[in-house]
Amino acid sequence: EPEVTQTPSHQVTQMGQEVILRCVPISNHLYFYWYRQILGQKVEFLVSFYNNEISEKSEIFDDQFSVERPDGSNFTLKIRSTKLEDSAMYFCASSELAQRETQYFGPGTRLLVL
Amino acid sequence: GESVGLHLPTLSVQEGDNSIINCAYSNSASDYFIWYKQESGKGPQFIIDIRSNMDKRQGQRVTVLLNKTVKHLSLQIAATQPGDSAVYFCAERSHGQNFVFGPGTRLSVLP
Repeated sequence: EPEVTQTPSHQVTQMGQEVILRCVPISNHLYFYWYRQILGQKVEFLVSFYNNEISEKSEIFDDQFSVERPDGSNFTLKIRSTKLEDSAMYFCASSELAQRETQYFGPGTRLLVL
Repeated sequence: GESVGLHLPTLSVQEGDNSIINCAYSNSASDYFIWYKQESGKGPQFIIDIRSNMDKRQGQRVTVLLNKTVKHLSLQIAATQPGDSAVYFCAERSHGQNFVFGPGTRLSVLP
């Protein structure tokens, strides 16, 4: 069964550093998403991406964040100048064009900012 | 307001019993709801969904009930199995908006 994959599974970084989280969505999916889940808290929507541009973003997704689809398979989330409060699980998800609501989540990247 | 904390509500059930997990939502304009299962170390997994024009939907061993009057959603799992142990959370969405996720309930299946 096709699945969303994410790398790395864990990332430790120093405050102020830049990180890039990588995702490979399911191959025939056209909508891509990033979510985050701070430890013990709810899953929060960050951004959705379609047709090589951001379609929606939350207020969490400020100028510190950016997304990119650098090639036909990868979807990345870049966090510039990380802060302690960026520590969280970051989930990538993808969905088909015809069934946007059924989103398939990856296993997540656990980011720890020290 | 937003619930914050490290301690999720926990539901413990005996293997073979039925489980009922509840979710209250706040947006009366929400028209679509999903239940997700999240196992330790994994991403959320879609279980079942329901639209606001329905009050009940059944899947394999799972049933979702929607009460729009009191803005309440429940997930019923029949004959709960050890593999059902996970955190379950609901997500709601109003038309044109993105999903808002609930805090989750930890289901623990006792042998």
